[in-house]
Amino acid sequence: QKEVEQNSGPLSVPEGAIASLNCTYSDRGSQSFFWYRQYSGKSPELIMFIYSNGDKEDGRFTAQLNKASQYVSLLIRDSQPSDSATYLCAAPGRTGRRALTFGSGTRLQVQP
Amino acid sequence: NAGVTQTPKFRILKIGQSMTLQCAQDMNHNYMYWYRQDPGMGLKLIYYSVGAGITDKGEVPNGYNVSRSTTEDFPLRLELAAPSQTSVYFCASSSGGSNQPQHFGDGTRLSIL
Repeated sequence: QKEVEQNSGPLSVPEGAIASLNCTYSDRGSQSFFWYRQYSGKSPELIMFIYSNGDKEDGRFTAQLNKASQYVSLLIRDSQPSDSATYLCAAPGRTGRRALTFGSGTRLQVQP
Repeated sequence: NAGVTQTPKFRILKIGQSMTLQCAQDMNHNYMYWYRQDPGMGLKLIYYSVGAGITDKGEVPNGYNVSRSTTEDFPLRLELAAPSQTSVYFCASSSGGSNQPQHFGDGTRLSIL
């Protein structure tokens, strides 16, 4: 089982819709989770992090964490074409919690 | 606002050549990381460091070496370049371990021919 798993997509949503991106992780002891956005040819950019069960909102983005089910999700409300990118989920990995393990990413396409 | 700076941005190497990818950060972060990203794939950890003088292997360390003589710099060395090392290399830093976000440089796109 991979440590951090994401559906590779592409996930296609119309402009203005809610995009829902999901991620599962294997380490039950993980305490922190991060979502990065990566545009084609660019470096990953942090957009959200969450430490506690429940929801965390920041503008159009909401991160949801369910530790019992070992999944974390990212909701993007009012999706815009500029949100089209690959979204990477990250959680503590094998390195004794000194580094993050990244999922392979979900490619999001927002159709105008 | 420099953050994490990587040089060079692009490089083409011949098989068997050596080179060093440079990474510097000005945020006084103790933790630094090197990742590689192959087309359409996620990030794979090559090496990381938790402070000056301390380095450790990640998921894919073979063919690479690192050193950390200062807090600011974390160079990655390829000794005998192979086509399998064609990739985009990202350096990142953070103020803590896995409970803190990592800040990435712009990457080095490396082709081995």
